[in-house]
Amino acid sequence: EAGVVQSPRYKIIEKKQPVAFWCNPISGHNTLYWYLQNLGQGPELLIRYENEEAVDDSQLPKDRFSAERLKGVDSTLKIQPAELGDSAVYLCASSYSRQTEAFFGQGTRLTVV
Amino acid sequence: AQKITQTQPGMFVQEKEAVTLDCTYDTSDPSYGLFWYKQPSSGEMIFLIYQGSYDQQNATEGRYSLNFQKARKSANLVISASQLGDSAMYFCAMREGYTGGFKTIFGAGTRLFVKA
Repeated sequence: EAGVVQSPRYKIIEKKQPVAFWCNPISGHNTLYWYLQNLGQGPELLIRYENEEAVDDSQLPKDRFSAERLKGVDSTLKIQPAELGDSAVYLCASSYSRQTEAFFGQGTRLTVV
Repeated sequence: AQKITQTQPGMFVQEKEAVTLDCTYDTSDPSYGLFWYKQPSSGEMIFLIYQGSYDQQNATEGRYSLNFQKARKSANLVISASQLGDSAMYFCAMREGYTGGFKTIFGAGTRLFVKA
């Protein structure tokens, strides 16, 4: 069974530029998460989807971050414009339901210069 | 408020010995789940073990066991017979139930070093 797939693995952009991350969850998983992980810290939730509905986006900085999950499968997280402080690892995870364990992708390491 | 605390930034263990990684939590939700994840240097978060708040028995998965002490609000991870490949960051996480909106938070992590 394929795991959670994220792309790209690494991204370097200049500040003020836009960037997008893509996530393909495990087949059949209804819940999808985007997390932000700063160096030496635990992941912090940005947004959680139940199918195509964003049910928890309270930690998403909506002035510059946006996300979508079309048809309740793949998801895209976008930052526009990027700031230096956005440099971090962006992790996508999925779970069969909101009550089961989440499985993570390998993450996208973003560097804003 | 929901809270997870891992007080050990780093731990050393000799190969083949057991090690306990500490985790305490705080929640007002009577229904919650506790998770442990391993993050090697490659970066991927690997699910290890799960304990539900109503589970009577401590969870075990191979060499991993979760020492769940509900009254003390602790959920320590025990790794038996440590292997060199166990060297990694370990994160404790808690997910609240319906009352808490199924929110999940992670601790700051413990870096485990296994010595040969």
